[in-house]
Amino acid sequence: AQSVTQPDIHITVSEGASLELRCNYSYGATPYLFWYVQSPGQGLQLLLKYFSGDTLVQGIKGFEAEFKRSQSSFNLRKPSVHWSDAAEYFCAVASSGGSYIPTFGRGTSLIVHP
Amino acid sequence: KAGVTQTPRYLIKTRGQQVTLSCSPISGHRSVSWYQQTPGQGLQFLFEYFSETQRNKGNFPGRFSGRQFSNSRSEMNVSTLELGDSALYLCASSLAVTSDPDTQYFGPGTRLTVL
Repeated sequence: AQSVTQPDIHITVSEGASLELRCNYSYGATPYLFWYVQSPGQGLQLLLKYFSGDTLVQGIKGFEAEFKRSQSSFNLRKPSVHWSDAAEYFCAVASSGGSYIPTFGRGTSLIVHP
Repeated sequence: KAGVTQTPRYLIKTRGQQVTLSCSPISGHRSVSWYQQTPGQGLQFLFEYFSETQRNKGNFPGRFSGRQFSNSRSEMNVSTLELGDSALYLCASSLAVTSDPDTQYFGPGTRLTVL
């Protein structure tokens, strides 16, 4: 069964600092990987996704993520955090091959200090 | 293009009642998925509908059901409500041109409180 682990429940950074949110997955084959962001009272917004190809994926709002098969990781990064990035971030994995049942991590809450 | 809309946004029910939530996908999107989000269990997949047929189903009891209409609008129903059904219910739509995972666009959710 597929699973996703986001080891950090909360992360606090200062505005302008760099950010890395960790995501580890468990899946037998090549997974489909996603990062979503959820602001309070909102639904989820897709930041980026990895299906195949270049392992460094660029997303919206200046985010990027790198797929590392050897480490079963798909960490999200941003070089300089803005106060508006404060939100809940979810990593998700889905299986390839026709049955799309995504599994989400428990989320990482990002707090940005001025 | 309008986003995914969900109605109602907030709902309060009592135990034993039933509830119906509605989701209107982005125009042209044929797949609608439903998720339950709670502080204890996180985000969990309920089911996916494609062309009026349930294509995938998560691990939820039969009290949770759904349907999709010919215009791709979807409803989900929860019967015999329990306190543990209190959650944010999210709907997401996608083009789903192929059977592989497609980018999903989420609605703002319906906040259900069961008293």
